[in-house]
Amino acid sequence: NAGVMQNPRHLVRRRGQEARLRCSPMKGHSHVYWYRQLPEEGLKFMVYLQKENIIDESGMPKERFSAEFPKEGPSILRIQQVVRGDSAAYFCASSQNRGESYEQYFGPGTRLTVT
Amino acid sequence: AQRVTQPEKLLSVFKGAPVELKCNYSYSGSPELFWYVQYSRQRLQLLLRHISRESIKGFTADLNKGETSFHLKKPFAQEEDSAMYYCALGANNLFFGTGTRLTVIP
Repeated sequence: NAGVMQNPRHLVRRRGQEARLRCSPMKGHSHVYWYRQLPEEGLKFMVYLQKENIIDESGMPKERFSAEFPKEGPSILRIQQVVRGDSAAYFCASSQNRGESYEQYFGPGTRLTVT
Repeated sequence: AQRVTQPEKLLSVFKGAPVELKCNYSYSGSPELFWYVQYSRQRLQLLLRHISRESIKGFTADLNKGETSFHLKKPFAQEEDSAMYYCALGANNLFFGTGTRLTVIP
């Protein structure tokens, strides 16, 4: 089991471009979480998805950000018209179930730099 | 609103010395608390959770509801304990503190 995979590991975008970050959960995991880590800050929850459903997007900025987890393929975090403030590390995590366990398995992260 | 506070960004101790990483939380419900660790060039991983009351790699953490704390302790620090430690609160979602970088000096 290769664990949670994220790609790309590093992404550079100019202001106004779109950024697409991909996350493949661990085998057998159907719950995916996205977090953002700004410099000098902790990880902040963005969105929680199950296959084909957004369960909780309370941490997502209202504009320009969207996430999906299709029936087939990886989960995608999409940032439209990126701005410098979007520069951060974006982490994906997955879990087998939700229940009482918050044991989440994290990917290596994607470091987004907006120039 | 839920909040996790880790007051120390950096903590250095000598090998063999006791170590305590502080974590305080704010949550009106019944909390689930966790410690996650990130070793150099590795992914963030779960270290321990309060409900299991276990000791992992010599680390323990006791939930103190009166003081709203969940400090991480180890009686004798080892060099391999050097890492970034995050306290997290489970309340529908996981809420992380800003982390403490522990350096164990040989």
